[in-house]
Amino acid sequence: DQQVKQNSPSLSVQEGRISILNCDYTNSMFDYFLWYKKYPAEGPTFLISISSIKDKNEDGRFTVFLNKSAKHLSLHIVPSQPGDSAVYFCAGSYSSASKIIFGSGTRLSIRP
Amino acid sequence: DAGITQSPRYKITETGRQVTLMCHQTWSHSYMFWYRQDLGHGLRLIYYSAAADITDKGEVPDGYVVSRSKTENFPLTLESATRSQTSVYFCASSEPGQGGKLFFGSGTQLSVL
Repeated sequence: DQQVKQNSPSLSVQEGRISILNCDYTNSMFDYFLWYKKYPAEGPTFLISISSIKDKNEDGRFTVFLNKSAKHLSLHIVPSQPGDSAVYFCAGSYSSASKIIFGSGTRLSIRP
Repeated sequence: DAGITQSPRYKITETGRQVTLMCHQTWSHSYMFWYRQDLGHGLRLIYYSAAADITDKGEVPDGYVVSRSKTENFPLTLESATRSQTSVYFCASSEPGQGGKLFFGSGTQLSVL
């Protein structure tokens, strides 16, 4: 049973436009949701997170929105830059940090 | 250097062999994790550890063994490697209260022939 789902394997966006990556979850017990970014041949790196009691968190060009009723979250990147080309993983976690469950990832390509 | 290091970076082995992947962190983080990354599956949790001598199963633990005798080390052993265990393996660490913010190593690419 996939607790965290990313239904779009890939996304292509023009440089300077908005990138929107989506994620759905089934486990209502998650306390936090996180986005990680991964370049080839490197480990994932933390990008941004949101507590389950909030509906928006912003950090520079990155904003995460949480819709608890729909069990859906999204990551907005504005404006998109070439360095944003990477695989993005959505994840859900508990406050105890005991288990962090990831989605299957979305490959974002920023075209000139 | 401070951080989390994995070794080896690349490993080729044969089916039936025992393989151990090493993970070492210098932050003294309480939690450590092993994930495998496969196309179409993303990152799947194999095992995790909340402290030395405390380990627990993740989503896909079958065929793997872990130990954590010291806080800084968390080796992953494939007791009898199978082709389905060909994957990229990532070790990660974190502290409680960080909301799931993980620090990952660079990964070990394992091929089982």
